[in-house]
Amino acid sequence: AQSVAQPEDQVNVAEGNPLTVKCTYSVSGNPYLFWYVQYPNRGLQFLLKYITGDNLVKGSYGFEAEFNKSQTSFHLKKPSALVSDSALYFCAVRDINNAGNMLTFGGGTRLMVKP
Amino acid sequence: DAGVTQSPTHLIKTRGQHVTLRCSPISGHKSVSWYQQVLGQGPQFIFQYYEKEERGRGNFPDRFSARQFPNYSSELNVNALLLGDSALYLCASSLVTDYSNQPQHFGDGTRLSIL
Repeated sequence: AQSVAQPEDQVNVAEGNPLTVKCTYSVSGNPYLFWYVQYPNRGLQFLLKYITGDNLVKGSYGFEAEFNKSQTSFHLKKPSALVSDSALYFCAVRDINNAGNMLTFGGGTRLMVKP
Repeated sequence: DAGVTQSPTHLIKTRGQHVTLRCSPISGHKSVSWYQQVLGQGPQFIFQYYEKEERGRGNFPDRFSARQFPNYSSELNVNALLLGDSALYLCASSLVTDYSNQPQHFGDGTRLSIL
C-alpha cells in the first residue's frame, strides 16, 4: 500500500519570502514522487518529479523539492514566493515496483502568498 | 499541442441517473487514467487503461466502469448516481504505463453535481 500525508491544510507566506510545503510518504518499495499545482476550476498541473539521483529536484516556475529517504519526505520549496503562486498543491507517490501508474495523492495544501 | 481535453465541463444529474464522461488524451499518449476529486480532498484513483485494456482499478463500486477506444480516447460511466458521486472527475494521460516514471498530464475535469 502507498500513502501520502500533507500535514498542513494551509501555508501563509509573504511575497518575496521563501516557502515550504511539506509532504511525507509511505511505499513498500522505492518511490516515484511528484508535485502538482491546482488553480481554481482547473485540473492538476505537473510541477516536478523525483525518480532517482540528486535529492534536490528542480521544476517549473522556480519550484524545487528535496527528497529525504530517511525521513520519507519530499518537501516543496521556492526561494522567493510570488502572489501568483497562491494555489492548491498536491504531493503524489507511486511505487516503482508497481506496473501500473496509479498515483496516490495527499489531501492538498493551500498556499496563500500575501503582498 | 492540445492538452488533455474532457467533456462536458459541467453536468447536473439527479439520483439514480446514469452519466458518461469523455476524455481525449494528449496526442501520442496511450495510457488514460481517471480520478475522482471530492471537494476539499486530493484526487482518488478510479481506473487506468492502456492499449484498450484495464490496467488498474481503485476502490470504487461496480457502478463505475470505463473503456478506452482505438484512438486512445476514453469514457467513464457511472450508473445509479448517488449524492456522494458529486465531485470533479479528472482524466490524465501519459506516454506509457508499465514501470514508467513519466508524469501524468491532467485535463481540467468534469464537475458533476448530483441533486
